[in-house]
Amino acid sequence: AQTVTQSQPEMSVQEAETVTLSCTYDTSESDYYLFWYKQPPSRQMILVIRQEAYKQQNATENRFSVNFQKAAKSFSLKISDSQLGDAAMYFCAYRSRKRGSQGNLIFGKGTKLSVKP
Amino acid sequence: EPEVTQTPSHQVTQMGQEVILRCVPISNHLYFYWYRQILGQKVEFLVSFYNNEISEKSEIFDDQFSVERPDGSNFTLKIRSTKLEDSAMYFCASGTVPSYEQYFGPGTRLTVT
Repeated sequence: AQTVTQSQPEMSVQEAETVTLSCTYDTSESDYYLFWYKQPPSRQMILVIRQEAYKQQNATENRFSVNFQKAAKSFSLKISDSQLGDAAMYFCAYRSRKRGSQGNLIFGKGTKLSVKP
Repeated sequence: EPEVTQTPSHQVTQMGQEVILRCVPISNHLYFYWYRQILGQKVEFLVSFYNNEISEKSEIFDDQFSVERPDGSNFTLKIRSTKLEDSAMYFCASGTVPSYEQYFGPGTRLTVT
């Protein structure tokens, strides 16, 4: 069974600085997706960034980028130029790409990010 | 922008009672999901639903749970006889195809006393 581990329960960053959130996962599959979701307080989870395992190039979305190390099964999220609105719970998630999979997500426990003005 | 909505936002019920949690997925989505998060723990997959039937379910989704899409818009999760350990945040999600993004609702906090 696949597992996702986020070893940092809480992180803090100064506004305008860069922070990296860690995520490792365990799987025997070779083809899958990885995601970072953001959950602001009392709001729904929204997708931040997605990475397909077959792609070597790291995904980027504006100030958000990932460092995907497939051999090491590591998938960290870097937030550049942090803004107050980035404060949220961040979840790393895995989804199988196996034929017939209906796409259920396997989540880590989350990292609570605080941004200091 | 279309959103997944869930009602109620908070439900308090007594142990042994039945509860129905309601979700309205995004209208053109075909795949529907329920997840739950016990306080301080991981978000866990419960069930996925496609073409009016369950497509996958986790070990958590036992006979006490059922899902239904009673009409073209609602997607419900029923817990027949709630237990204390069912207290959690329940999230509904929907998507167009499994490989694409899942859109999450704001969740229903279920408290079983």
